[in-house]
Amino acid sequence: KAGVTQTPRYLIKTRGQQVTLSCSPISGHRSVSWYQQTPGQGLQFLFEYFSETQRNKGNFPGRFSGRQFSNSRSEMNVSTLELGDSALYLCASSFIVASTDTQYFGPGTRLTVL
Amino acid sequence: AQKITQTQPGMFVQEKEAVTLDCTYDTSDPSYGLFWYKQPSSGEMIFLIYQGSYDQQNATEGRYSLNFQKARKSANLVISASQLGDSAMYFCAMTASGNTPLVFGKGTRLSVIA
Repeated sequence: KAGVTQTPRYLIKTRGQQVTLSCSPISGHRSVSWYQQTPGQGLQFLFEYFSETQRNKGNFPGRFSGRQFSNSRSEMNVSTLELGDSALYLCASSFIVASTDTQYFGPGTRLTVL
Repeated sequence: AQKITQTQPGMFVQEKEAVTLDCTYDTSDPSYGLFWYKQPSSGEMIFLIYQGSYDQQNATEGRYSLNFQKARKSANLVISASQLGDSAMYFCAMTASGNTPLVFGKGTRLSVIA
């Protein structure tokens, strides 16, 4: 069974630009969650989608948005990039999101904002 | 709200020795799940082991075992017979009932010495 895939793996952008990251979950998984990882803040939850609906959102500004398609693939978008948005963005998939359900992560997209 | 505390920023272990990585958690929810993930320098978050709050026995997965002490709210990871490939960051995480996101600790960097 193929794992979670994320594209692109690396991105370099400049301040003010926007970026779109893509995540394909494990086949059969309907929940996709996004996390931001930085050296200073650690791993922080961005949002979670289930059956094309955002069910949960972390404490991030509105510049961060996402969506999920009918095939469970998900995209996240960051508009008006800031230097502080440089991070590893991790996507995770699971059947549902529950205390008994394991989230499996993709390899991440490393975003550098210059 | 859930909270995970990992008090060991870094640890060294000799190859073939066992090592314990500490994790304490805090939640008021009686139903929760505890997870350990390994993150090599490549960035991918690899799922290692899961323990449910109602599980009576400690979880084991190959060389990994979870020492679950519910009254003390601890969920330590034990790696037996360490290998050089075990060198990585290790994160303890938890989720509670409902569609709550994973909450991560700050991680422990494990270095295995030959």
